[in-house]
Amino acid sequence: RKEVEQDPGPFNVPEGATVAFNCTYSNSASQSFFWYRQDCRKEPKLLMSVYSSGNEDGRFTAQLNRASQYISLLIRDSKLSDSATYLCVVNPTSGGSYIPTFGRGTSLIVHP
Amino acid sequence: DTGVSQDPRHKITKRGQNVTFRCDPISEHNRLYWYRQTLGQGPEFLTYFQNEAQLEKSRLLSDRFSAERPKGSFSTLEIQRTEQGDSAMYLCASSLYGVGTYEQYFGPGTRLTVT
Repeated sequence: RKEVEQDPGPFNVPEGATVAFNCTYSNSASQSFFWYRQDCRKEPKLLMSVYSSGNEDGRFTAQLNRASQYISLLIRDSKLSDSATYLCVVNPTSGGSYIPTFGRGTSLIVHP
Repeated sequence: DTGVSQDPRHKITKRGQNVTFRCDPISEHNRLYWYRQTLGQGPEFLTYFQNEAQLEKSRLLSDRFSAERPKGSFSTLEIQRTEQGDSAMYLCASSLYGVGTYEQYFGPGTRLTVT
């Protein structure tokens, strides 16, 4: 099993739709989690951190489920400009290794 | 611009040549990471520094790869005797460790093509 798994998609949704992505991780020592957005041939840009209590930023909501070892990203009222690849990253912050592990990303295409 | 910068942005080299990339992190950041990314994959960890100390390297990292961060500021990544399989985007990221959030900020990357 890969350390961090994401459905590569693509998720093809119309403008205005709500879409959700999951990211599962295998290392139970993982302590910090993030979602990044990556446009084609560009660098990843931090979208949001994922806190134990969940967090919301405008149309974006991130959740953490430690028991089932996954994080989720919900995008409401999708815009054309949301089309991108969404990467999750998992950081162990104990146990001796601090290597961040990225998923392969989930591709989102929002169409008119 | 006070973000992470990388140089060069593009590099084309012939197989067997050595290449060196530079990364300048956000000035107050003490951690610096190098990643490699190929099409359709997420960034793959290569190595990271805290200040000038190289703390971890990927077990998958070939001996042809070496990185330095001599004064705890900018870093260089060198690839010796390049192979076609080294063609990828090389990303640098920095973060401020100790403040609690571990958020990383990426530079624009260096795209390497080995012919």
